[in-house]
Amino acid sequence: GESVGLHLPTLSVQEGDNSIINCAYSNSASDYFIWYKQESGKGPQFIIDIRSNMDKRQGQRVTVLLNKTVKHLSLQIAATQPGDSAVYFCAEKYGGTSYGKLTFGQGTILTVHP
Amino acid sequence: GAVVSQHPSWVICKSGTSVKIECRSLDFQATTMFWYRQFPKQSLMLMATSNEGSKATYEQGVEKDKFLINHASLTLSTLTVTSAHPEDSSFYICSATGGLGQGYGYTFGSGTRLTVV
Repeated sequence: GESVGLHLPTLSVQEGDNSIINCAYSNSASDYFIWYKQESGKGPQFIIDIRSNMDKRQGQRVTVLLNKTVKHLSLQIAATQPGDSAVYFCAEKYGGTSYGKLTFGQGTILTVHP
Repeated sequence: GAVVSQHPSWVICKSGTSVKIECRSLDFQATTMFWYRQFPKQSLMLMATSNEGSKATYEQGVEKDKFLINHASLTLSTLTVTSAHPEDSSFYICSATGGLGQGYGYTFGSGTRLTVV
């Protein structure tokens, strides 16, 4: 869901560990979800997506889990690397149309220590 | 892949002046464009949604007269911050849809850092 005036939570891990980043979304009617990575001073970069009719999707080193019952998303990063250090956001799409507006969640700062 | 170009990447302006930010889809026609604002260590907040040839739809709390959006063509949308004040200093990011990139076709620009002095 949207965060107004809140500062981002942080997650600190060691290189090689698995990371799990969580996100609570706001609208039970949202039909599509995306995880983005944002590095300082840059726009969001697509990581992985999932439709509401799925509960799990895997990519390269990343897995997204969707729990519609509690409106929760998680992003799992395997064998986390220093280059994964960034801010991670989930985003939800709703609006009924193909290009409904995309609303961003709170975000999490991931720091990976070598 | 789909590419969205945003200019300028950073701008410093004096209080009371206006600043225009451009968002261009380079290799596709953008059905819809979105404008976001992001304050330091915060999430992206949607400001408005624009469709080519029609008026933008603003989110609640966003001043239409202060943040003018023009979507004159299928490849260009502009955001003009009028009579800018220091509190308007922020990172502005556009997103365009309609391309064939990943993420359902939502492609983001690289953002514009606006500093009002």
